[in-house]
Amino acid sequence: EPEVTQTPSHQVTQMGQEVILRCVPISNHLYFYWYRQILGQKVEFLVSFYNNEISEKSEIFDDQFSVERPDGSNFTLKIRSTKLEDSAMYFCASSEQGIGYTFGSGTRLTVV
Amino acid sequence: EDKVVQSPLSLVVHEGDTVTLNCSYEVTNFRSLLWYKQEKKAPTFLFMLTSSGIEKKSGRLSSILDKKELFSILNITATQTGDSAVYLCAVGSQGKVIFGPGTSLSVIP
Repeated sequence: EPEVTQTPSHQVTQMGQEVILRCVPISNHLYFYWYRQILGQKVEFLVSFYNNEISEKSEIFDDQFSVERPDGSNFTLKIRSTKLEDSAMYFCASSEQGIGYTFGSGTRLTVV
Repeated sequence: EDKVVQSPLSLVVHEGDTVTLNCSYEVTNFRSLLWYKQEKKAPTFLFMLTSSGIEKKSGRLSSILDKKELFSILNITATQTGDSAVYLCAVGSQGKVIFGPGTSLSVIP
């Protein structure tokens, strides 16, 4: 069954450093998303991406964050100048028609 | 503000019991309601509901949506210890998905 692949599965970074989280969505999907889940809290929407541009973003997704689809397969989330409170599980998801969503297995980001 | 509410937040049952998990929502531009099961890591897809009154079933799990009353239920019959997880309800709106807080289900032998 097709799946969304995320790398790395766990990343540890120092506060203030930049990180790039990578995702390979399902190949025929057109809608891409990033979510995060702080430990013990609910899954929170960050951003959606369609037709090579951001279609919606939450208030969490400020200037510290950016997304990119650098080629035909990858979808990345960049976090500049990481803060301790950015520590969370980050999930990528993709959708064929923007209705049903398939999640990747997540990247656990730990900022120290 | 868009919101998704789930109840109960936590539930402990014995193996063999039947459980009903509730999800209500207030979301503009509703497109779909989704149920996910989250164990250790990523949510895994259970159901997607877009139409009222049509029950979806998968084994011991079933779900139905009421778009007029803005809620959905997820039923699990003959629960097993492997059903222990957090069950997430999410509503797909234009461009985003809003998650509820989840119901933590523990099934004890």
